[in-house]
Amino acid sequence: DADVTQTPRNRITKTGKRIMLECSQTKGHDRMYWYRQDPGLGLRLIYYSFDVKDINKGEISDGYSVSRQAQAKFSLSLESAIPNQTALYFCATNSGREETQYFGPGTRLLVL
Amino acid sequence: GQSLEQPSEVTAVEGAIVQINCTYQTSGFYGLSWYQQHDGGAPTFLSYNALDGLEETGRFSSFLSRSDSYGYLLLQELQMKDSASYFCAEGAAGNKLTFGGGTRVLVKP
Repeated sequence: DADVTQTPRNRITKTGKRIMLECSQTKGHDRMYWYRQDPGLGLRLIYYSFDVKDINKGEISDGYSVSRQAQAKFSLSLESAIPNQTALYFCATNSGREETQYFGPGTRLLVL
Repeated sequence: GQSLEQPSEVTAVEGAIVQINCTYQTSGFYGLSWYQQHDGGAPTFLSYNALDGLEETGRFSSFLSRSDSYGYLLLQELQMKDSASYFCAEGAAGNKLTFGGGTRVLVKP
């Protein structure tokens, strides 16, 4: 079983709709991240959380919100989706003591 | 803020050596990581340099020069499976990362 899972894997929604992307991890890590990937722009950090009570904005948090429901779960919400939020979204985790982040498989979101 | 620049695309033949450069401008530099991403896949960690010098892991090596704000990833004995995008990223080991735009490596037979 995958250590970091994301649901849904693909989502099509309409402008103005509220949607939630979910991330779960079984690695026991405290630190979780949400990134957005657009072609040619690499990955950009949306929000990150170093523990359940710690939520921080990243580089591009406008239009997004997050919820850290438990150590293992970190959800990203788009309150009112717009077409330029069409992108590939990745969740990642890290223990804080390793050199690597572990990424989920990604959610491909299309906003019409 | 942080910004990292890397070439957009590199093409090479099997068995060749490819060097992917990454130059950065950051306020407060911790270290440089490298990630590989195949089409349709998730990024996977390759290496991390916090100190100047060369880190070698099999066919892949990574180098950092803090004084020059520069690093590179060296791919040796290229194989078809190395066709992927490669990202440099700045941040303390594994923690909040700022990524470059990625370099697409195309390996030809």
